[in-house]
Amino acid sequence: DTAVSQTPKYLVTQMGNDKSIKCEQNLGHDTMYWYKQDSKKFLKIMFSYNNKELIINETVPNRFSPKSPDKAHLNLHINSLELGDSAVYFCASSQEVTPGQPQHFGDGTRLSIL
Amino acid sequence: AQSVTQPDIHITVSEGASLELRCNYSYGATPYLFWYVQSPGQGLQLLLKYFSGDTLVQGIKGFEAEFKRSQSSFNLRKPSVHWSDAAEYFCAVGRGGGADGLTFGKGTHLIIQP
Repeated sequence: DTAVSQTPKYLVTQMGNDKSIKCEQNLGHDTMYWYKQDSKKFLKIMFSYNNKELIINETVPNRFSPKSPDKAHLNLHINSLELGDSAVYFCASSQEVTPGQPQHFGDGTRLSIL
Repeated sequence: AQSVTQPDIHITVSEGASLELRCNYSYGATPYLFWYVQSPGQGLQLLLKYFSGDTLVQGIKGFEAEFKRSQSSFNLRKPSVHWSDAAEYFCAVGRGGGADGLTFGKGTHLIIQP
C-alpha cells in the first residue's frame, strides 16, 4: 500500500490555466506538507497543515491555495499558472505530536508549463 | 533561521569504495537531523535520523551518520557503495516541530563508477 500518494504524476498544461494536485496519506498522520523542488533539485517547503488547519505559508503567491478536507488529504490548487511554476511538487506527512518526526514523501507531481 | 549546507554538489566514487557525504547545519537549539535519498523520478526516502542520544546513527541500506555538535556536522557514510546507491542525497534539519517542516540542503549527486 502506498503511504503517501499524489495524483497526477505528470501534469503538462499551458500558461494561464488552473490546475489541482491531490494528495492522500494512509499513515494516520496529523500533519501534511507541500514542498516545491526546482530545476536545480532544491526543495523548499510551501505549506503545512496540522489537523486541517494551516500552520505554515512560506510566502507562496496567493495563486497557490491548499485545501485540506480532512487530515488524510491535502490538495493543492494553482490558479493562473506561470512558467516559473514548472517544478516537481511533493506532498509529505508526519506525526507531529512529538517534534522532529520524520516526514514521509509521495513520489511527486512533475508540473510543466508550456 | 536554520540552514543546511551540503558543500559537494557532485561526488563520484568507484563501486566498492567507501563514501562520505558532508552536511553542516545552522540551528539555535538541539537539531533534528535527517538524511533522505532521491532516486531519479522518485520521491524522497528516509535513510536515517538523529534526535538525541547516541551520536552515531544507523540507517537503512548500510548507511550511517555521525552527529558532531562541535562541528555542526551530520555526515553520511557507507563503507562500500553499490551501483544502486547512485542517487541524489539530501540532508535536512527539522524546523522545530509543531508542523514546521524541514529545511533541506541543496543535495549531493552521487555517481558510481564501475
